[in-house]
Amino acid sequence: NAGVTQTPKFQVLKTGQSMTLQCAQDMNHNSMYWYRQDPGMGLRLIYYSASEGTTDKGEVPNGYNVSRLNKREFSLRLESAAPSQTSVYFCALRQRGRYEQYFGPGTRLTVT
Amino acid sequence: GENVGLHLPTLSVQEGDNSIINCAYSNSASDYFIWYKQESGKGPQFIIDIRSNMDKRQGQRVTVLLNKTVKHLSLQIAATQPGDSAVYFCAENINPEAAGNKLTFGGGTRVLVKP
Repeated sequence: NAGVTQTPKFQVLKTGQSMTLQCAQDMNHNSMYWYRQDPGMGLRLIYYSASEGTTDKGEVPNGYNVSRLNKREFSLRLESAAPSQTSVYFCALRQRGRYEQYFGPGTRLTVT
Repeated sequence: GENVGLHLPTLSVQEGDNSIINCAYSNSASDYFIWYKQESGKGPQFIIDIRSNMDKRQGQRVTVLLNKTVKHLSLQIAATQPGDSAVYFCAENINPEAAGNKLTFGGGTRVLVKP
């Protein structure tokens, strides 16, 4: 997970609270992604950003917003958290010209 | 890939034996496939990938096989070691050149290496 940092590592929210998950990279990669992983399941794409200033919806965008203000950072915001958003959230990167994605260490979020 | 929910298929392997992890992918138009390893509490780690114009690719101790006829992907690990114990995910991509390069993940297989 070198080069990708996610903050916080753990978070507990009450239903209706808001928060922003942060992802930062020092690898100078163009594309960034947010995934969620529910227990015992694969990853599902929430939003992605092909380049600085652009964002697009993935498979499960409802309840989330994202922001890619610069090349280095891609944030995920939950405006009004719901228990269904309890999950582990991963940020990923992709370098231009290559196809594999590299993942951060994750943020474990619990909504009560 | 198939979503197996809370109950991951598990492969138990004796240390030193070869492991074969299977994945049935969903879209016959998929052009790119990738395997990830995920250890407990960590993010997925890239292992190996393959394009649809190939049927085999080898890495260090790992081989990926692609059978497009039956939409099947496998990961072979030679001489499995205790450090190989993890959950393994396959993922597919219809258009890897697209700006979004969206990966669709399978449900994962847990590999347990017995000493």
